[in-house]
Amino acid sequence: QIQVVQSGAEVKMPGSSVKVSCKTSGGTFTSDAFSWVRQAPGQGLEWMGGVVPLFRTPNYAQDFQGRVSITADESTNTVYMELRSLRPEDTAVYYCGRAPPYSDPVSRRLYHYYYMDVWGQGTTVTVSS
Amino acid sequence: NVMTQSPGTLSLSPGERAALSCRASQSVTHNYVAWYQQKPGQAPRLLISAASHRATGIPDRFIGSGSGTDFTLTISSLEPEDFAVYYCQQYVTSPPTFGQGTKLEIK
Repeated sequence: QIQVVQSGAEVKMPGSSVKVSCKTSGGTFTSDAFSWVRQAPGQGLEWMGGVVPLFRTPNYAQDFQGRVSITADESTNTVYMELRSLRPEDTAVYYCGRAPPYSDPVSRRLYHYYYMDVWGQGTTVTVSS
Repeated sequence: NVMTQSPGTLSLSPGERAALSCRASQSVTHNYVAWYQQKPGQAPRLLISAASHRATGIPDRFIGSGSGTDFTLTISSLEPEDFAVYYCQQYVTSPPTFGQGTKLEIK
């Protein structure tokens, strides 16, 4: 059974950075697609970015471009999300999620999409002075 | 691709049928729309992928349908544990986008 476990809650000062980890077990990791999604208090879900460890190159939502970095460590099956220049409005629960690759039955080619069939438990990040 | 869910809140009783709508501003190729359920204080849970494929362990009262720009999540007979917030998401174009959510509450 695939499990996704995130690091614990963080309290940060405005202007600082936070790095959240997401350790997985039971999946293939390198060919999975990992997403980071955040949810501000009382609000909906917002996709921040994602990565397929096999390709290493992450994809970022435009709203976070330049402020977020997503990386993957294959040696520990862990994905990281770092958010810089934190502001009070970054206060939210940050979720990591994973999706398996889709294998085309004819070509056998693998495709990767950023939906989430397994979610981490969420990491609360509070930005306050 | 903007995803718009309706209604914002749906008030129903256990045993009733619920129909939640999700409309995309552009056609969703391959109907790559997912539905998630979220209860207070919990992470979302995948219910449906590719518009109509139930995730592992999801009861068959959850039915996803639709194509192109219009998608529906139907819960055939509401159980007490189904009262939650539901989100749709298109994941074929970047960035993946979520609807704003439909809150399903007990009447």
